[in-house]
Amino acid sequence: DGGITQSPKYLFRKEGQNVTLSCEQNLNHDAMYWYRQDPGQGLRLIYYSQIVNDFQKGDIAEGYSVSREKKESFPLTVTSAQKNPTAFYLCASSIDRVAGELFFGEGSRLTVL
Amino acid sequence: AQTVTQSQPEMSVQEAETVTLSCTYDTSENNYYLFWYKQPPSRQMILVIRQEAYKQQNATENRFSVNFQKAAKSFSLKISDSQLGDTAMYFCAFMIRFARGGQGNLIFGKGTKLSVKP
Repeated sequence: DGGITQSPKYLFRKEGQNVTLSCEQNLNHDAMYWYRQDPGQGLRLIYYSQIVNDFQKGDIAEGYSVSREKKESFPLTVTSAQKNPTAFYLCASSIDRVAGELFFGEGSRLTVL
Repeated sequence: AQTVTQSQPEMSVQEAETVTLSCTYDTSENNYYLFWYKQPPSRQMILVIRQEAYKQQNATENRFSVNFQKAAKSFSLKISDSQLGDTAMYFCAFMIRFARGGQGNLIFGKGTKLSVKP
């Protein structure tokens, strides 16, 4: 079945360690996105990518990095520079930035101890 | 800057009844999209309904309908014949549609937690 796969679903890390969250899609979508979700805050955009080898910062990019080497993959690295990394992270994709509808993965819950 | 406000952090409704979730937004743009997304306890976000600002007719998807008031910048979601499976967080979202093609990023409200009671 087509969809977006995020892994791992749950992740625990010690403070100061970098962590990479995986996002893979087989929908042949051009655009991909990373959102952060905190209780009572809604979703906030971290990074997005419209095409391979290109990505743009969202509203809260500090302390995060991404790559887009393949159309299907858009991994997110939470670096040690992110001051409050414990959160729920959602990856999404859309056909292109004209379509307007995003398809979401099931999310990754990161807890920094 | 665009903002989306959902003034009801939590709501509850009895099964089979109707409930309306509120959403207001602020923008100086004229062309945009509005969305309602549902996030059930499984945490996967699902698109419920979408409205294009240039369309005056309110969007409808089965038991879900919207009341889009462009002048008032209001975009409420009505759920008819509520079912237990409708229990979820509901997010209102806004996206600019650029005149030359393309769109801005999705801007989300903080969500409304809806509980459907048997």
